[in-house]
Amino acid sequence: GQNIDQPTEMTATEGAIVQINCTYQTSGFNGLFWYQQHAGEAPTFLSYNVLDGLEEKGRFSSFLSRSKGYSYLLLKELQMKDSASYLCAVRDRRGANNLFFGTGTRLTVIP
Amino acid sequence: EAQVTQNPRYLITVTGKKLTVTCSQNMNHEYMSWYRQDPGLGLRQIYYSMNVEVTDKGDVPEGYKVSRKEKRNFPLILESPSPNQTSLYFCASSFRGAGGLDTQYFGPGTRLTVL
Repeated sequence: GQNIDQPTEMTATEGAIVQINCTYQTSGFNGLFWYQQHAGEAPTFLSYNVLDGLEEKGRFSSFLSRSKGYSYLLLKELQMKDSASYLCAVRDRRGANNLFFGTGTRLTVIP
Repeated sequence: EAQVTQNPRYLITVTGKKLTVTCSQNMNHEYMSWYRQDPGLGLRQIYYSMNVEVTDKGDVPEGYKVSRKEKRNFPLILESPSPNQTSLYFCASSFRGAGGLDTQYFGPGTRLTVL
């Protein structure tokens, strides 16, 4: 089966750095994704990791350790508009399009 | 403009009355999926399709049907809706790019209430 865990809620201050963790246990692994979802809107793609290490994309970075079943999303220089839910998703080995999502982490950025 | 469209955006219906939620993408993507999103449960995949006439069950397929007769369309069919299918539904499309990256482009969502 698949089990993906992330904290339910986090709060951070504008301008700060926040790390959102995701741990997973899946029957197979073929890539990990992070999505951002603002309230009432559709998720939008943030990052993708399939090999161990850090992927950096502007203010956002994502890290993966396959041996530990662990990923984190790092958001730097937080802005108020970063208040959103952040969804961790794992693609298993079965198919090109079989994604399993965590329940999401609701991030609130305060002034 | 590249996009995924869903219709209707909001629907209130009654138990047992068949309904279809349409999904269309204009990006020529091979892959399409349907998800439902419920509080505390996150996004769960219902069905996915890897190409025309190729569909497979996701995590929660019971009570749903899909078809993929054309590349651009992937309708979700509820033959006999029940209250436990009240949810927010998202359609998504993607293609497999370099390194196995397939970015999912999500539609705006359909909020369904079954009374």
